[in-house]
Amino acid sequence: GNSVTQMEGPVTLSEEAFLTINCTYTATGYPSLFWYVQYPGEGLQLLLKATKADDKGSNKGFEATYRKETTSFHLEKGSVQVSDSAVYFCALIMEYGNKLVFGAGTILRVKS
Amino acid sequence: EAGVAQSPRYKIIEKRQSVAFWCNPISGHATLYWYQQILGQGPKLLIQFQNNGVVDDSQLPKDRFSAERLKGVDSTLKIQPAKLEDSAVYLCASSLQGAPGNTIYFGEGSWLTVV
Repeated sequence: GNSVTQMEGPVTLSEEAFLTINCTYTATGYPSLFWYVQYPGEGLQLLLKATKADDKGSNKGFEATYRKETTSFHLEKGSVQVSDSAVYFCALIMEYGNKLVFGAGTILRVKS
Repeated sequence: EAGVAQSPRYKIIEKRQSVAFWCNPISGHATLYWYQQILGQGPKLLIQFQNNGVVDDSQLPKDRFSAERLKGVDSTLKIQPAKLEDSAVYLCASSLQGAPGNTIYFGEGSWLTVV
C-alpha cells in the first residue's frame, strides 16, 4: 500500500541552524505531497505542498522539492527559529484518491 | 473565515464508558474526515463523508466506533465501549471536495484519555 517514512526525532537545533527533515514515500502512481505542522496544543496546519515531480513547495521560509527519482520530499529551512518548534508531518494523497496518508511525524526542538 | 470547530477539547473516561465528539466543518465544505492520532504516530483516517454519505470507513472499528453526519454539515463520532487503546487525539478535518487538489483543513482535535 501507499506509505510515508520520515526521519525519527526529536531533532534538536540551535536557533539559526539549517534544518532538514527527510521524507520518502512509497506509492503506486503519482501522489501529491504535503508537509503539515502541529504546534503544541494545536491542530494540523498545512505548511506546503507539491502536486507533481520537480515542483517546489515553499512557505514561511520552509521549502521541499518533489523528487520522483528518489521518491522523496525533504523539508528544509535555512535558519530556524524557536517558534518553529513543533511536530512536522509528511503526507501524500494519490492522484485519484481522497485521503491523506501520513508519516509518523518528526519533533523539532529549537533552542535559543 | 472560521476554521473547523471541535468539542470537547479534552475528555477523560474510564474503560467501557462511552464518549462522543462533535465537529463543525468549514462552511461550504462537502467533505468531512475523522482521523485518529495516537501519541507518537501520524494521523490515521477513520471515516470520510461526502455530504452525508460515507465514502471510506474501512479503518473504522465498527464494533465500537460509529459516526454520522446528519444534513451534510455537523458530524459526531462515538466510541462505545471505550478501550485503553482508544486514548488518542481525534481530529476532524474538512475540504471543499474530496479531490487531491483541495486543501484539507484540520480542527484542533479532541484529546481522549481512557483510564
